[in-house]
Amino acid sequence: DGGITQSPKYLFRKEGQNVTLSCEQNLNHDAMYWYRQDPGQGLRLIYYSQIVNDFQKGDIAEGYSVSREKKESFPLTVTSAQKNPTAFYLCASSQGLADTQYFGPGTRLTVL
Amino acid sequence: AQSVTQLGSHVSVSEGALVLLRCNYSSSVPPYLFWYVQYPNQGLQLLLKYTTGATLVKGINGFEAEFKKSETSFHLTKPSAHMSDAAEYFCAVSDRSDYKLSFGAGTTVTVRA
Repeated sequence: DGGITQSPKYLFRKEGQNVTLSCEQNLNHDAMYWYRQDPGQGLRLIYYSQIVNDFQKGDIAEGYSVSREKKESFPLTVTSAQKNPTAFYLCASSQGLADTQYFGPGTRLTVL
Repeated sequence: AQSVTQLGSHVSVSEGALVLLRCNYSSSVPPYLFWYVQYPNQGLQLLLKYTTGATLVKGINGFEAEFKKSETSFHLTKPSAHMSDAAEYFCAVSDRSDYKLSFGAGTTVTVRA
């Protein structure tokens, strides 16, 4: 089955630690995205990548970093510089930027 | 960036009743329009989308939405609610120039037996 996987589903970290969230897709999509979801705020774009080895900041990139070394993988690192990292993080992919985005199941990060 | 407004953060309907979720966007140029559904602790699933052509769009699970340019709206409806429709629904718009998705704040639907 083609799809997007995110791991782990739940993640707990201590304040001040960096943490990396995994996103893998086997849809052969060129574009990938990271969103953050907070209650009552909808989704906000963190970073996106149109092709391998290229990525762009979204609306709330501060305190986050990404890499796109392989077409199928787009990991997100939440750094200690992110002031309020506790949230639900969603990865998405699309054939191209103009195409429909499909979402993974999400990772819920809790920073203690 | 596009602005998306979903009227009503919570909607409660009886099983079998009409479901109506409202979405308005701010743009002088018609964008691409989407409705997604999210079940608790899960990702978003595409219900339907409008890009061009017929303004009444049919999606999965009996949902449909109508694009009204004059009202800058894309309201989602389902004639008869099912218990399984209880979820959070997001309207999203994509600018035709940079294709970034802007999401509304979401509407949580509860279905009463």
